[in-house]
Amino acid sequence: DTGVSQDPRHKITKRGQNVTFRCDPISEHNRLYWYRQTLGQGPEFLTYFQNEAQLEKSRLLSDRFSAERPKGSFSTLEIQRTEQGDSAMYLCASSLETSNEKLFFGSGTQLSVL
Amino acid sequence: GNSVTQMEGPVTLSEEAFLTINCTYTATGYPSLFWYVQYPGEGLQLLLKATKADDKGSNKGFEATYRKETTSFHLEKGSVQVSDSAVYFCALSLSGGYQKVTFGTGTKLQVIP
Repeated sequence: DTGVSQDPRHKITKRGQNVTFRCDPISEHNRLYWYRQTLGQGPEFLTYFQNEAQLEKSRLLSDRFSAERPKGSFSTLEIQRTEQGDSAMYLCASSLETSNEKLFFGSGTQLSVL
Repeated sequence: GNSVTQMEGPVTLSEEAFLTINCTYTATGYPSLFWYVQYPGEGLQLLLKATKADDKGSNKGFEATYRKETTSFHLEKGSVQVSDSAVYFCALSLSGGYQKVTFGTGTKLQVIP
């Protein structure tokens, strides 16, 4: 069990550019979540996958955001035409669907949009 | 809507002092309640949880009791250590089959020797 891995750890981009983040969950976990955390705030739910199906998207996720989990394993989060307001820590979490479900978080990708 | 309010930090305590971090919640329905901890340079970790009224969650000397009548879930520890220095997040999740968690803003705890 190597934990949830996120790549890259840091991303600096210019406004208007596209960025893509990757999350590798714990291998046997069938659920995967994306959260976003801005400075001084708690994480906010963005989206949730059960295997490869994206079952919920927050209203925080504008049309510029898209997430995929093509084979039910790793996931990508793409932001198109980045804006300064997108600057945040993007957190991935995974879990196993059980009656005692527990989220395991990655260390996050820190995005800075200049 | 659902929300979590927790006391603002930072909280600075001497080693072996008693810790309380207050947390109250608003929810439509009967949530599960959590405390998560984020140590410097690490990802969020679940510290403890309680799933119904009057349940007490406990872990690593920390405790919190689910109080439905006061909609509270205060975190306590009898004797803090320097290694407890971290940011603590109170959170809730409504039963619905998956972990769509609503977090508070976090409380930074610094324990000095």
